[in-house]
Amino acid sequence: NAGVIQTPRHKVTGKGQEATLWCEPISGHSAVFWYRQTIVQGLEFLTYFRNQAPIDDSGMPKERFSAQMPNQSHSTLKIQSTQPQDSAVYLCASRTGGQDTQYFGPGTRLLVL
Amino acid sequence: GEQVEQRPPHLSVREGDSAVITCTYTDPNSYYFFWYKQEPGASLQLLMKVFSSTEINEGQGFTVLLNKKDKRLSLNLTAAHPGDSAAYFCAVSAPSSFSKLVFGQGTSLSVVP
Repeated sequence: NAGVIQTPRHKVTGKGQEATLWCEPISGHSAVFWYRQTIVQGLEFLTYFRNQAPIDDSGMPKERFSAQMPNQSHSTLKIQSTQPQDSAVYLCASRTGGQDTQYFGPGTRLLVL
Repeated sequence: GEQVEQRPPHLSVREGDSAVITCTYTDPNSYYFFWYKQEPGASLQLLMKVFSSTEINEGQGFTVLLNKKDKRLSLNLTAAHPGDSAAYFCAVSAPSSFSKLVFGQGTSLSVVP
């Protein structure tokens, strides 16, 4: 079991550019979560998919951020017109159905210059 | 919504001493509680999952206590060793969603020889 896979591990973008982050959940896991980690804000929930359907996006910034899960094997988080304040580690987690444990990927460290 | 406060933000102990990290939460209906460990540059590693029906849970080298009356969760590392040096996060499963995790701010633990 390879665990949750996230690519790229590091990404540097210029202000105003687009960034797409990829997540491959653990095979058989039906739920995928995105979190953002910064020194100032800590770990913040962004959005959640279950069986590929968006369930809760209450943590997503209303502008420039979007997430999709086109199939059960991957999810993407897209940030348009990136800003320096978007710099963070973006973590993806997956779990089986019900109230099971969330397993986290290694994260993508995004730096917006 | 649920709020989780974690203390202390930084903790330094000598090898062999105990280290205690505490989280308080606000929603009395919270049911699942987690402790994660994050080593530098790495992702979140699950230490323990606690159900609200169990007050004391023991792992390898640590004990987790849950006090539902006071809405307090604590992690006690007994006989800490340098390998325990890491960031520790508590997380609570938000009952309104039964899915997303609400994290504490984290504790940076340093165990000195």
